Amino acid sequence: DTGVSQDPRHKITKRGQNVTFRCDPISEHNRLYWYRQTLGQGPEFLTYFQNEAQLEKSRLLSDRFSAERPKGSFSTLEIQRTEQGDSAMYLCASSFFRASAEAFFGQGTRLTVV
Amino acid sequence: QQPVQSPQAVILREGEDAVINCSSSKALYSVHWYRQKHGEAPVFLMILLKGGEQKGHDKISASFNEKKQQSSLYLTASQLSYSGTYFCGTERTRDDKIIFGKGTRLHILP
Repeated sequence: DTGVSQDPRHKITKRGQNVTFRCDPISEHNRLYWYRQTLGQGPEFLTYFQNEAQLEKSRLLSDRFSAERPKGSFSTLEIQRTEQGDSAMYLCASSFFRASAEAFFGQGTRLTVV
Repeated sequence: QQPVQSPQAVILREGEDAVINCSSSKALYSVHWYRQKHGEAPVFLMILLKGGEQKGHDKISASFNEKKQQSSLYLTASQLSYSGTYFCGTERTRDDKIIFGKGTRLHILP
C-alpha cells in the first residue's frame, strides 16, 4: 500500500484559470476528505465523501469549488476562475469508516495563484 | 464548530513535559490527534472515543473528558523529534466529518 497519493504536488496558475487536483486514497478506504491549509492554520474542511456520495460541502466554500468521486475510488477537486485567495495547500485524507477510524493524509497539492 | 486548542505555542527543553488541550462547545463523539512537521502532511497519533478513555504509546498519551468535551495530549520527557504542530480533530457523531483546530506549535530545544 502506497498511502494517499495526490497529484500534482505543486501547481502555479494565473488568476482566472481553472485547476483540477486528483487524490487517490488508500485502496480499501471508503471515506475521503478534502481540506485546505494556509500557513500557520489548521486544515480547513472543504468536503467529504462516503464511497461515491458527497456527504457535505462546507457552507463557506464558494460555488467555484466542486469535487467528485466517481465510482468511489479516486477524487478530483476543481477550482474554477481561480483567485489569489485560493493559494493554499490542498490536502486529501482517507479512512475506512468504522467506529474509530483514523484518517491518513496525502502530501498535498500546493496551489499558487499569480 | 472548530475546536479550540491551547496553548498556541510551547517552547520546551529536551526532557521536559508538555500538555496540549483541545476543547469543544458541542458534544463530541471522538477526538483525533495529529502531528505535522514543516512541509509535511499531518501524521495520525491517536483517536479517543467518548467514554472518557485514555490512550498512549511510548511517551505520548491522551485523555478525553466527555463531560467537559475536552481532550488533552500529554508529551512526557520530550525529545527533539516531538517538535512540530499538533492538531486535534473532532467528530460530533460517528458519521460526522473531522474538524480540526488551529494547532499548537511545539518547539523542543536541545
